[in-house]
Amino acid sequence: QVQLVESGGGVVQPGTSLRLSCAASGFTFSRYGMHWVRQAPGKGLEWLAVTSNDGENRFYAESVKGRVTISRDNSKRILYLQMNSLREDDTGVYYCVKESSGWYGYFDFWGPGTLVTVSS
Amino acid sequence: EMLLTQSPGTLSLSPGERATLSCRASQSVRNNHLAWYQQKPGQAPRLLIYDASTRATGIPDRFSGSGSGTDFTLSISSLEPEDFAMYYCQHYAFSPRTFGQGTKVEIK
Repeated sequence: QVQLVESGGGVVQPGTSLRLSCAASGFTFSRYGMHWVRQAPGKGLEWLAVTSNDGENRFYAESVKGRVTISRDNSKRILYLQMNSLREDDTGVYYCVKESSGWYGYFDFWGPGTLVTVSS
Repeated sequence: EMLLTQSPGTLSLSPGERATLSCRASQSVRNNHLAWYQQKPGQAPRLLIYDASTRATGIPDRFSGSGSGTDFTLSISSLEPEDFAMYYCQHYAFSPRTFGQGTKVEIK
């Protein structure tokens, strides 16, 4: 069955960097677009970034554009989110999400999430 | 960017009652690429409905989606105790793939 397992979260200071990873299994990773979605404590869902199945196309939310980079390694079946210049409002649970197609699909599987806390 | 506005913010109902949740888009959603997700506290969201009206695998038939263009509805025909949760709509017609702000269905 499809499994997505995020890692790399933790407590970091403002201004620092962090790289999140998402290990995928149970499906042909290279066929599907992948996303990162975050949720601040007590708040709603915020879509952050997408990479197409082949990694050639990427798109970012305005709130994180220029500070984050989404990437993937199809040979290792891993999705990444590199986050720089972290701010306190980047605090939240970060979900790795598989979409149903290579680029414009609905979100059919979600990982359990990894918590990022940005605090001095 | 497409804005999605969900209403009401909170829906207070009793088990067995019908729930009707609304999602209004700031522009027409191409191909009805609109999905609904359910989220319970401490859990990741779960896909309920895609393409505005197609139930995802394993979703009970008390959940139904309808609508097209800019107005969409999620209905729960008879609320079960496990249905009290947050519900989000989302479009996937283009990027950014925005979410609505959510509707909380709580026990009255």
